[in-house]
Amino acid sequence: DAGVIQSPRHEVTEMGQEVTLRCKPISGHDYLFWYRQTMMRGLELLIYFNNNVPIDDSGMPEDRFSAKMPNASFSTLKIQPSEPRDSAVYFCAIVDVRESNNEQFFGPGTRLTVL
Amino acid sequence: KQEVTQIPAALSVPEGENLVLNCSFTDSAIYNLQWFRQDPGKGLTSLLLIQSSQREQTSGRLNASLDKSSGRSTLYIAASQPGDSATYLCAVVNNDMRFGAGTRLTVKP
Repeated sequence: DAGVIQSPRHEVTEMGQEVTLRCKPISGHDYLFWYRQTMMRGLELLIYFNNNVPIDDSGMPEDRFSAKMPNASFSTLKIQPSEPRDSAVYFCAIVDVRESNNEQFFGPGTRLTVL
Repeated sequence: KQEVTQIPAALSVPEGENLVLNCSFTDSAIYNLQWFRQDPGKGLTSLLLIQSSQREQTSGRLNASLDKSSGRSTLYIAASQPGDSATYLCAVVNNDMRFGAGTRLTVKP
């Protein structure tokens, strides 16, 4: 079964601090996506990777946001410095083209609160 | 730019009713369309995926249809149950993935 582990599940930080969100696929995948969900804007695609290479980061809101995928088993989304308007739930999702016919499987999300 | 709209935004029905959730999109050149369920404070659970070449997909009491030419998809839920209460989102894939705002469904016992 496809699956994604995200950590931490909840993060509370103060404005100006650096925040690192982590995503660990527990199954094979070709694509990895980072999303942000807020009440005001719904679900937004931030960036996605294909075979660990960033393909489209046009959804990344500002230079304060950066994402890396050093290997197939791990990705990070970093916000530096964080601001209160970054408060949202951040989801990681994967697609295994060969196994799931392009179906996306989401992690449980990280709820970020920036005070 | 693809825009995805879901109507209604919220729906409340008594248990046992059949219901239809609607999703419309502006760019018909899609690769696939996926329906998700999201429970409060939880992640998204994939329900059904329809490829652009398909007209419908079924899983248990759920049936999703796709009409690309009119830019519409529907999610039909038969014999609704209180456990079906959740927010249902549709997502459309062409160059990227665009989500609708969701329909918040409440099934009353």
